Amino acid sequence: GAGVSQSPSNKVTEKGKDVELRCDPISGHTALYWYRQSLGQGLEFLIYFQGNSAPDKSGLPSDRFSAERTGESVSTLTIQRTQQEDSAVYLCAGATGTLGTDTQYFGPGTRLTVL
Amino acid sequence: AQSVTQPDIHITVSEGASLELRCNYSYGATPYLFWYVQSPGQGLQLLLKYFSGDTLVQGIKGFEAEFKRSQSSFNLRKPSVHWSDAAEYFCAVGNAGNNRKLIWGLGTSLAVNP
Repeated sequence: GAGVSQSPSNKVTEKGKDVELRCDPISGHTALYWYRQSLGQGLEFLIYFQGNSAPDKSGLPSDRFSAERTGESVSTLTIQRTQQEDSAVYLCAGATGTLGTDTQYFGPGTRLTVL
Repeated sequence: AQSVTQPDIHITVSEGASLELRCNYSYGATPYLFWYVQSPGQGLQLLLKYFSGDTLVQGIKGFEAEFKRSQSSFNLRKPSVHWSDAAEYFCAVGNAGNNRKLIWGLGTSLAVNP
């Protein structure tokens, strides 16, 4: 596709359930980021993948959060035993390389609501 | 530690008026600075970025920003705002090291009056 896609666009779940969010980056984008954007807040870094290197998981808020990436393509963010404070928009972004100057290309996000 | 401050949470301007959105950063070395825009229903899009060279950078949609090291600022400007510029604007700072994470400001919401 022409851009970054994320699915689902909206997810409503009950507290305690697990959810899986998907990101499909632009082909050739070796770097992939996950962010969380809560209401009225900036972007909170969650995790970063770069090629076959070990991911930078330093932003994951708890061990309920995990993410995987298959090669340099699709990534999934999994939240186990969701809590109400997990409600937010989850954004994924890709970049072409490893430079700090690289532009990040964002998907439209998944809005997660935990009841 | 790196940090980014966008002092204005919300700004309203009239269409055709000039615009300046403020961004202040805290970083020990030369930062990489970015402005992104998030329009309603759309993903974040890069407006412009600075990492070296000319301190006045031009971006898309008629925006520009000026890096002022002495003031630790990277303010975004546009001479004449269009109604379609209504959006959320985010400033972010990165670095040249191994840390690829950007530090983001909380954003400035721009409303444009007709």
